[in-house]
Amino acid sequence: GAGVSQSPRYKVAKRGQDVALRCDPISGHVSLFWYQQALGQGPEFLTYFQNEAQLDKSGLPSDRFFAERPEGSVSTLKIQRTQQEDSAVYLCASSLGVWFTEAFFGQGTRLTVV
Amino acid sequence: AQTVTQSQPEMSVQEAETVTLSCTYDTSENNYYLFWYKQPPSRQMILVIRQEAYKQQNATENRFSVNFQKAAKSFSLKISDSQLGDTAMYFCAFMKVRAETSGSRLTFGEGTQLTVNP
Repeated sequence: GAGVSQSPRYKVAKRGQDVALRCDPISGHVSLFWYQQALGQGPEFLTYFQNEAQLDKSGLPSDRFFAERPEGSVSTLKIQRTQQEDSAVYLCASSLGVWFTEAFFGQGTRLTVV
Repeated sequence: AQTVTQSQPEMSVQEAETVTLSCTYDTSENNYYLFWYKQPPSRQMILVIRQEAYKQQNATENRFSVNFQKAAKSFSLKISDSQLGDTAMYFCAFMKVRAETSGSRLTFGEGTQLTVNP
């Protein structure tokens, strides 16, 4: 595709439900990032993939958060047993290379936990 | 660890006027990159301008320019001839030149909501 695509754009989950958020990066992009953006705040890093390898998951807030990119393209961010504090916009970004390459962002998934 | 601070939660400017958004950062790195991103209501982050720390010359992209003061760790964005379409949230961001395991990871500030009034 022409850009980074995320789905769904909006997700409402009841507290305790599991959710899965999808990111389709730009074809051929090696690097993929997930960020969490709380309302009125800047995005915060969650995790980084280089191809299929998850090299940095230091930003994941708890073990309820899990991300994968099994074939080095599409990535899924899964949140188990959602809680109200998980409500945020989840942004995915991809870049062509590893060191300093421009990151292209998707439009994000707005997750609301009720 | 790096931190990025934007001390102006909201700014407004009249159409065709000039506005400056402030950003300060803290790092022990000598080589890094700084960015300004724009986030309209559609939520998609759009790169406005970038600056390599080793370059003394301030970056310019059409109506957008930066004032990079490395010693002061300051990186402000100037928007000239403001247009209605410039209304958005603006984020300052930092990137290490070579991070061992986190590639081109970005550290963002809290953002400044800019409103351009007709």
